[in-house]
Amino acid sequence: DAGITQSPRHKVTETGTPVTLRCHQTENHRYMYWYRQDPGHGLRLIHYSYGVKDTDKGEVSDGYSVSRSKTEDFLLTLESATSSQTSVYFCAISNGQSYNEQFFGPGTRLTVL
Amino acid sequence: ILNVEQSPQSLHVQEGDSTNFTCSFPSSNFYALHWYRWETAKSPEALFVMTLNGDEKKKGRISATLNTKEGYSYLYIKGSQPEDSATYLCASWGEKLTFGTGTRLTIIP
Repeated sequence: DAGITQSPRHKVTETGTPVTLRCHQTENHRYMYWYRQDPGHGLRLIHYSYGVKDTDKGEVSDGYSVSRSKTEDFLLTLESATSSQTSVYFCAISNGQSYNEQFFGPGTRLTVL
Repeated sequence: ILNVEQSPQSLHVQEGDSTNFTCSFPSSNFYALHWYRWETAKSPEALFVMTLNGDEKKKGRISATLNTKEGYSYLYIKGSQPEDSATYLCASWGEKLTFGTGTRLTIIP
């Protein structure tokens, strides 16, 4: 299994509070991604990174920011959480080979009350 | 086809029967088609990555075909077993990697 961990695995927070989710990899892969998974929508890309300090927006980036100061860590921040951001968040990594094949972390279940 | 679409959304199959389902994707700017297997309470795991028209891939009882000209891929499971119960996701890599919503397969013992 690819060495990807996410923390926390579960979080309950209140509307308006900041939340940071962490993705950590031990594979030294260049690319890292944050997705959210909601019923009826499958996996939707929030942000991705193609190197240290190099990030770009995905299709549902509003309300989220990311940072990557080290190859192994990719942080997703909700500056002011809203109930619409209640979701399961998956981190994924890719080495850019095999046509961007993704290896997924275990997921973080976030509930915003 | 503008988005990645999978059908059916869900499927119940008797143990031992064979089944198949479909992923449709935009045929323009196509680079690759991914299939992932996603068990409940786990994370998606890659099954196949296919790129060429006519590609066929096989892993045990699971196989997949690809038609890039018409923009579809089929996933086949032969002799379904209870452990095949999962959601099967496809993702098309064109300008970006776009996931379908999945086919949820339940095998009835």
